[in-house]
Amino acid sequence: SQKIEQNSEALNIQEGKTATLTCNYTNYSPAYLQWYRQDPGRGPVFLLLIRENEKEKRKERLKVTFDTTLKQSLFHITASQPADSATYLCALGDTGNQFYFGTGTSLTVIP
Amino acid sequence: EAGVAQSPRYKIIEKRQSVAFWCNPISGHATLYWYQQILGQGPKLLIQFQNNGVVDDSQLPKDRFSAERLKGVDSTLKIQPAKLEDSAVYLCASSFGQKEGVNGYTFGSGTRLTVV
Repeated sequence: SQKIEQNSEALNIQEGKTATLTCNYTNYSPAYLQWYRQDPGRGPVFLLLIRENEKEKRKERLKVTFDTTLKQSLFHITASQPADSATYLCALGDTGNQFYFGTGTSLTVIP
Repeated sequence: EAGVAQSPRYKIIEKRQSVAFWCNPISGHATLYWYQQILGQGPKLLIQFQNNGVVDDSQLPKDRFSAERLKGVDSTLKIQPAKLEDSAVYLCASSFGQKEGVNGYTFGSGTRLTVV
């Protein structure tokens, strides 16, 4: 069965630095990959989508890369702010109805 | 636009009791999903509806869980009888189409269920 792994340890970084979160997957060939942000007590909020034939996607301070050879996506937040502190989830989908979430990575940006 | 509405926000029940959750998706969204999120894990799909029909319920424990979306709008998810391992946040999400990868899915705030 498919397996999706994200940074198991919580990530703490200094304000202004770039945060990099990892999403690795096995036994799966996704057609696209999404990143979500989840705050405590809230549902996930969609941030970005990247397709299998795209290498990189950007949105404001966010950048996502997708390497289908390494079976890995990297999620970058540049010039991080304390307000970026949250749990970030990657989710993989195919051309059918299957859609799988990773376990999430907790990010804390320290002022 | 109004978001995905869920109720109740919290529920505490004893094992073997029944519980029901309600979800009202974004107006016009034909596809509705119920996810279970256990503490420290990512959301796991339980069931997906397209209008009032079930598209995928392969991961729904059908011996105790049931869901319906009779009029193709709001939906209820029921657990009967509940077990301790059902303690989780139950998230409802909706999307305009069945394969809404491009725009992502809109989630509600969830119902936190504690089974004691």
